[in-house]
Amino acid sequence: EPEVTQTPSHQVTQMGQEVILRCVPISNHLYFYWYRQILGQKVEFLVSFYNNEISEKSEIFDDQFSVERPDGSNFTLKIRSTKLEDSAMYFCASWLMSANTGELFFGEGSRLTVL
Amino acid sequence: QQQVKQSPQSLIVQKGGISIINCAYENTAFDYFPWYQQFPGKGPALLIAIRPDVSEKKEGRFTISFNKSAKQFSLHIMDSQPGDSATYFCAASIRGEKLTFGTGTRLTIIP
Repeated sequence: EPEVTQTPSHQVTQMGQEVILRCVPISNHLYFYWYRQILGQKVEFLVSFYNNEISEKSEIFDDQFSVERPDGSNFTLKIRSTKLEDSAMYFCASWLMSANTGELFFGEGSRLTVL
Repeated sequence: QQQVKQSPQSLIVQKGGISIINCAYENTAFDYFPWYQQFPGKGPALLIAIRPDVSEKKEGRFTISFNKSAKQFSLHIMDSQPGDSATYFCAASIRGEKLTFGTGTRLTIIP
Protein backbone atom coordinates (compact mmCIF):
# COMPACT_ATOMS: atom_id res chain seq x y z
CA GLU A 1 0.00 0.00 0.00
CA PRO A 2 1.41 3.42 -0.88
CA GLU A 3 2.36 5.56 2.07
CA VAL A 4 3.61 8.98 3.03
CA THR A 5 6.98 8.80 4.74
CA GLN A 6 8.40 11.41 7.08
CA THR A 7 11.82 12.05 8.56
CA PRO A 8 13.02 12.47 11.18
CA SER A 9 10.61 10.68 13.47
CA HIS A 10 11.80 12.79 16.39
CA GLN A 11 13.96 15.89 16.50
CA VAL A 12 15.12 17.78 19.55
CA THR A 13 16.41 21.29 18.98
CA GLN A 14 17.35 24.39 20.88
CA MET A 15 15.12 27.44 20.73
CA GLY A 16 16.15 29.71 17.88
CA GLN A 17 17.59 26.93 15.74
CA GLU A 18 16.40 26.11 12.24
CA VAL A 19 14.63 22.83 11.66
CA ILE A 20 13.77 21.06 8.42
CA LEU A 21 11.19 18.31 8.42
CA ARG A 22 11.06 16.10 5.37
CA CYS A 23 8.27 14.22 3.69
CA VAL A 24 8.00 11.93 0.70
CA PRO A 25 4.38 12.05 -0.46
CA ILE A 26 2.69 9.29 -2.42
CA SER A 27 4.18 9.42 -5.90
CA ASN A 28 1.16 10.25 -8.04
CA HIS A 29 -0.40 12.68 -5.59
CA LEU A 30 -0.66 16.32 -6.53
CA TYR A 31 -1.61 18.14 -3.35
CA PHE A 32 0.59 18.25 -0.30
CA TYR A 33 -0.10 19.45 3.22
CA TRP A 34 1.49 20.05 6.56
CA TYR A 35 -0.59 19.72 9.71
CA ARG A 36 0.45 20.19 13.32
CA GLN A 37 -0.76 18.50 16.47
CA ILE A 38 0.29 19.88 19.84
CA LEU A 39 0.32 17.11 22.42
CA GLY A 40 -3.22 16.14 23.40
CA GLN A 41 -4.84 18.65 21.08
CA LYS A 42 -6.49 18.52 17.70
CA VAL A 43 -4.79 18.32 14.36
CA GLU A 44 -4.42 21.80 12.85
CA PHE A 45 -3.93 22.75 9.22
CA LEU A 46 -0.73 24.65 8.47
CA VAL A 47 -0.33 24.87 4.72
CA SER A 48 -1.34 23.33 1.43
CA PHE A 49 0.88 23.14 -1.64
CA TYR A 50 -0.06 22.51 -5.24
CA ASN A 51 1.70 23.02 -8.53
CA ASN A 52 4.88 24.16 -6.79
CA GLU A 53 3.30 26.91 -4.81
CA ILE A 54 1.40 27.48 -1.59
CA SER A 55 -2.33 27.30 -2.28
CA GLU A 56 -3.48 28.13 1.24
CA LYS A 57 -1.97 28.73 4.65
CA SER A 58 -3.30 29.17 8.15
CA GLU A 59 -2.61 31.91 10.68
CA ILE A 60 -0.14 29.57 12.35
CA PHE A 61 2.00 29.50 9.22
CA ASP A 62 3.82 32.78 9.79
CA ASP A 63 7.07 34.08 8.33
CA GLN A 64 9.07 31.58 10.39
CA PHE A 65 7.66 28.75 8.31
CA SER A 66 8.36 27.85 4.71
CA VAL A 67 7.70 24.88 2.48
CA GLU A 68 9.53 23.64 -0.53
CA ARG A 69 9.43 20.83 -3.02
CA PRO A 70 13.11 20.77 -3.94
CA ASP A 71 12.83 17.81 -6.30
CA GLY A 72 10.19 15.51 -7.69
CA SER A 73 9.77 13.50 -4.52
CA ASN A 74 10.51 15.47 -1.36
CA PHE A 75 8.32 18.03 0.36
CA THR A 76 9.89 19.94 3.24
CA LEU A 77 8.75 22.16 6.06
CA LYS A 78 11.33 24.59 7.41
CA ILE A 79 10.99 26.44 10.68
CA ARG A 80 13.54 29.22 10.56
CA SER A 81 13.91 30.08 14.24
CA THR A 82 12.13 27.64 16.47
CA LYS A 83 10.15 28.72 19.53
CA LEU A 84 9.11 26.65 22.52
CA GLU A 85 5.52 26.66 21.28
CA ASP A 86 6.59 24.99 18.02
CA SER A 87 6.95 21.75 19.96
CA ALA A 88 4.40 19.43 18.37
CA MET A 89 3.88 16.52 16.03
CA TYR A 90 4.07 17.64 12.44
CA PHE A 91 2.17 15.55 9.93
CA CYS A 92 2.66 15.61 6.21
CA ALA A 93 -0.27 14.55 4.05
CA SER A 94 -0.85 14.10 0.36
CA TRP A 95 -3.94 13.90 -1.81
CA LEU A 96 -4.58 12.78 -5.34
CA MET A 97 -7.80 14.74 -5.81
CA SER A 98 -10.12 12.21 -7.31
CA ALA A 99 -13.79 12.58 -7.94
CA ASN A 100 -14.37 9.38 -6.02
CA THR A 101 -12.45 10.03 -2.87
CA GLY A 102 -11.17 12.94 -0.89
CA GLU A 103 -8.85 10.83 1.21
CA LEU A 104 -5.83 12.56 2.62
CA PHE A 105 -3.04 10.14 3.38
CA PHE A 106 -1.04 11.10 6.45
CA GLY A 107 2.50 10.19 7.34
CA GLU A 108 3.39 8.95 10.79
CA GLY A 109 4.59 12.35 11.84
CA SER A 110 7.74 14.06 13.02
CA ARG A 111 7.85 14.93 16.69
CA LEU A 112 9.61 18.24 17.25
CA THR A 113 10.78 19.12 20.72
CA VAL A 114 12.11 22.64 21.24
CA LEU A 115 14.12 23.19 24.40
CA GLN B 1 -17.49 29.35 11.09
CA GLN B 2 -14.67 26.97 10.22
CA GLN B 3 -14.94 25.11 13.53
CA VAL B 4 -15.99 21.51 13.92
CA LYS B 5 -17.18 20.70 17.43
CA GLN B 6 -16.73 17.16 18.66
CA SER B 7 -18.03 15.34 21.73
CA PRO B 8 -17.41 13.62 24.02
CA GLN B 9 -13.77 14.30 24.78
CA SER B 10 -13.35 10.78 26.10
CA LEU B 11 -15.50 7.69 26.05
CA ILE B 12 -15.32 4.34 27.77
CA VAL B 13 -17.37 1.51 26.31
CA GLN B 14 -17.69 -2.11 27.25
CA LYS B 15 -16.50 -4.68 24.73
CA GLY B 16 -19.36 -5.54 22.42
CA GLY B 17 -21.14 -2.25 23.05
CA ILE B 18 -21.85 0.64 20.71
CA SER B 19 -19.52 3.64 20.68
CA ILE B 20 -21.07 6.90 19.52
CA ILE B 21 -19.13 10.08 18.80
CA ASN B 22 -20.82 13.27 17.66
CA CYS B 23 -19.73 16.25 15.62
CA ALA B 24 -21.34 19.51 14.59
CA TYR B 25 -20.27 22.06 12.02
CA GLU B 26 -21.34 25.54 10.97
CA ASN B 27 -19.98 26.09 7.50
CA THR B 28 -22.63 24.92 5.04
CA ALA B 29 -20.01 24.91 2.27
CA PHE B 30 -18.43 21.78 3.77
CA ASP B 31 -19.15 18.86 1.48
CA TYR B 32 -16.94 16.08 2.74
CA PHE B 33 -17.00 14.63 6.25
CA PRO B 34 -14.39 12.01 7.13
CA TRP B 35 -13.58 10.28 10.37
CA TYR B 36 -9.97 9.59 11.19
CA GLN B 37 -8.59 7.06 13.65
CA GLN B 38 -5.31 7.74 15.38
CA PHE B 39 -3.27 5.34 17.48
CA PRO B 40 -0.57 6.67 19.83
CA GLY B 41 2.54 7.69 17.93
CA LYS B 42 0.89 7.30 14.54
CA GLY B 43 -0.63 9.64 12.03
CA PRO B 44 -4.38 9.88 11.50
CA ALA B 45 -5.79 7.23 9.19
CA LEU B 46 -9.04 7.54 7.29
CA LEU B 47 -11.71 5.30 8.73
CA ILE B 48 -14.86 6.23 6.85
CA ALA B 49 -16.21 9.31 5.11
CA ILE B 50 -19.53 10.66 3.89
CA ARG B 51 -20.77 13.32 1.52
CA PRO B 52 -23.93 15.32 2.31
CA ASP B 53 -26.04 13.72 -0.41
CA VAL B 54 -26.56 10.63 1.77
CA SER B 55 -27.78 10.34 5.36
CA GLU B 56 -25.92 7.21 6.32
CA LYS B 57 -22.90 5.22 5.27
CA LYS B 58 -21.88 1.87 6.68
CA GLU B 59 -18.59 0.04 6.34
CA GLY B 60 -18.37 -3.09 8.44
CA ARG B 61 -18.86 -2.16 12.09
CA PHE B 62 -18.51 1.55 11.39
CA THR B 63 -21.45 3.78 10.44
CA ILE B 64 -21.65 7.50 9.81
CA SER B 65 -25.02 9.15 10.34
CA PHE B 66 -25.40 12.56 8.71
CA ASN B 67 -28.07 15.16 9.43
CA LYS B 68 -27.68 17.97 6.94
CA SER B 69 -30.43 20.20 8.36
CA ALA B 70 -28.98 19.99 11.86
CA LYS B 71 -25.40 20.22 10.54
CA GLN B 72 -24.41 17.23 12.61
CA PHE B 73 -22.80 13.90 11.91
CA SER B 74 -21.86 11.01 14.10
CA LEU B 75 -19.75 7.88 14.12
CA HIS B 76 -21.19 4.66 15.45
CA ILE B 77 -18.92 1.71 16.17
CA MET B 78 -20.93 -1.46 16.61
CA ASP B 79 -19.64 -4.43 18.60
CA SER B 80 -16.75 -2.32 19.90
CA GLN B 81 -13.49 -4.22 20.38
CA PRO B 82 -10.37 -3.48 22.44
CA GLY B 83 -8.51 -2.93 19.17
CA ASP B 84 -10.83 0.02 18.50
CA SER B 85 -9.27 1.88 21.44
CA ALA B 86 -7.80 4.99 19.82
CA THR B 87 -8.44 8.67 19.36
CA TYR B 88 -11.09 9.49 16.78
CA PHE B 89 -11.26 12.77 14.93
CA CYS B 90 -14.11 13.99 12.83
CA ALA B 91 -13.26 16.45 10.11
CA ALA B 92 -14.88 18.51 7.42
CA SER B 93 -13.67 20.04 4.22
CA ILE B 94 -14.69 21.61 0.97
CA ARG B 95 -14.00 19.34 -1.99
CA GLY B 96 -11.93 17.05 0.21
CA GLU B 97 -8.96 19.28 0.79
CA LYS B 98 -7.78 21.33 3.78
CA LEU B 99 -9.43 19.33 6.51
CA THR B 100 -10.76 21.10 9.57
CA PHE B 101 -10.54 18.64 12.44
CA GLY B 102 -12.64 18.27 15.54
CA THR B 103 -10.97 18.19 18.92
CA GLY B 104 -10.83 14.40 19.12
CA THR B 105 -12.40 11.68 21.26
CA ARG B 106 -10.27 9.24 23.17
CA LEU B 107 -12.12 5.94 23.02
CA THR B 108 -11.30 3.14 25.45
CA ILE B 109 -12.92 -0.26 25.06
CA ILE B 110 -12.85 -2.27 28.29
CA PRO B 111 -13.25 -6.05 28.47
